[in-house]
Amino acid sequence: RKEVEQDPGPFNVPEGATVAFNCTYSNSASQSFFWYRQDCRKEPKLLMSVYSSGNEDGRFTAQLNRASQYISLLIRDSKLSDSATYLCVVNPGPSGGSYIPTFGRGTSLIVHP
Amino acid sequence: NAGVTQTPKFQVLKTGQSMTLQCAQDMNHEYMSWYRQDPGMGLRLIHYSVGAGITDQGEVPNGYNVSRSTTEDFPLRLLSAAPSQTSVYFCASSRRRNNEQFFGPGTRLTVL
Repeated sequence: RKEVEQDPGPFNVPEGATVAFNCTYSNSASQSFFWYRQDCRKEPKLLMSVYSSGNEDGRFTAQLNRASQYISLLIRDSKLSDSATYLCVVNPGPSGGSYIPTFGRGTSLIVHP
Repeated sequence: NAGVTQTPKFQVLKTGQSMTLQCAQDMNHEYMSWYRQDPGMGLRLIHYSVGAGITDQGEVPNGYNVSRSTTEDFPLRLLSAAPSQTSVYFCASSRRRNNEQFFGPGTRLTVL
């Protein structure tokens, strides 16, 4: 099983829709979690951190479920400009002295008029 | 602040050539890393550094060398380029490991 898994999509939704992505991880000792957004042929950019208590930033809500080992991203009132690939990142913390954050392969979102 | 900068933006090499990808950050971040991104593979960590003078291997280190002589700079060296190293390379930095990372604009490398 891959350490971090995301549904690749694409998720094809109309403007104004609500869409949710999940990201599952296998390492129960993982310490920190993030969602990034990546536009075509651009670098990933931080969208939001994911906290145990959940957090919200405008139309975006991120949640962490440690018991079931997944994080989620909810986008409300989708805009055309939300079309991008969304990457989840799981930081495992030190393991035998090494440290390798793991990126999901990304979920593609297409918002259409 | 310029953030994380990378040069060059594009590069074409012949098999067997060597080159250095440059990465610099002006945020006084301790942690820097190099990733490669290939279609369908996601981002994979090549090497990382938790501070000046300290480097370690990531998931896919073979064929690459790094050094970290200053906090700001973290160059990636391809010793003898191979077609399998054709990829997009991203440099990233964060205040400390486990913090959010900031990415440079990337270098698109083609090895013929």
